[in-house]
Amino acid sequence: EPEVTQTPSHQVTQMGQEVILRCVPISNHLYFYWYRQILGQKVEFLVSFYNNEISEKSEIFDDQFSVERPDGSNFTLKIRSTKLEDSAMYFCASRGEKGETQYFGPGTRLLVL
Amino acid sequence: RKEVEQDPGPFNVPEGATVAFNCTYSNSASQSFFWYRQDCRKEPKLLMSVYSSGNEDGRFTAQLNRASQYISLLIRDSKLSDSATYLCVVSLQSGGSYIPTFGRGTSLIVHP
Repeated sequence: EPEVTQTPSHQVTQMGQEVILRCVPISNHLYFYWYRQILGQKVEFLVSFYNNEISEKSEIFDDQFSVERPDGSNFTLKIRSTKLEDSAMYFCASRGEKGETQYFGPGTRLLVL
Repeated sequence: RKEVEQDPGPFNVPEGATVAFNCTYSNSASQSFFWYRQDCRKEPKLLMSVYSSGNEDGRFTAQLNRASQYISLLIRDSKLSDSATYLCVVSLQSGGSYIPTFGRGTSLIVHP
C-alpha cells in the first residue's frame, strides 16, 4: 500500500539554525499538508499546498517557515531560524484529488536546543 | 475561537467493554468530520469518516449531530489493541483544500 514517507525521523539542532524537513507524498496525490504536534498537545495545521503554491496557512506559519516542492516527488518544510518552541513532531500529509482523507507520514521529531 | 473539544480521559476499561467518546465543535460551517486514532509517538491514522446518517465499521460506530454540533464514537467489545488516543477532527473546505482542526484527543486504555 502506498504511504507517505518523511526524513529524517529525528533531528536535533541548535537554536537559530535552519532545518529542512522532507516528505515524499503518495505519488498520485495533489494536495499536501504540514502539521506539527508539540509533545502532549494537539495536532496543529500549519500549511496546505496545491498546484505549486500555498493554498492555506495558519497563524503559526509565519515568515520563518516556507514550503517547497522542488521536484515531482519531494515536499519540504524549511524553518529558517529555529526557536526552542519549534521543538515538536512535524507530520506531512497528502490527499488525492477526490475524497477528503489525508494520509499522514510517520513524522519528524525536531528538537531545538 | 473555533475549537474542537474532547474529554481527554483516560478511559480505562476492561476487554469486552463498550466505550463511547464525545466531541463538540464550535464552527457551524464545518463540513467534514472524522475520527483518527493515534498511538503513542506515532502519526494519526484515519479510523472512520462521520456522516450525518451515522455509520458503522465493525465494532466502531460514529454519529454526527449537526444541530448540536456533536460527534460521537462508540467502540463495542473493546480489544487490548484498541488502546490509543482517539482524535476528533473537523474540517472546513477552503477552495479545494480541507483544513482540519484536531481535538486534543481522548485516551483509551483497555486492560485484561
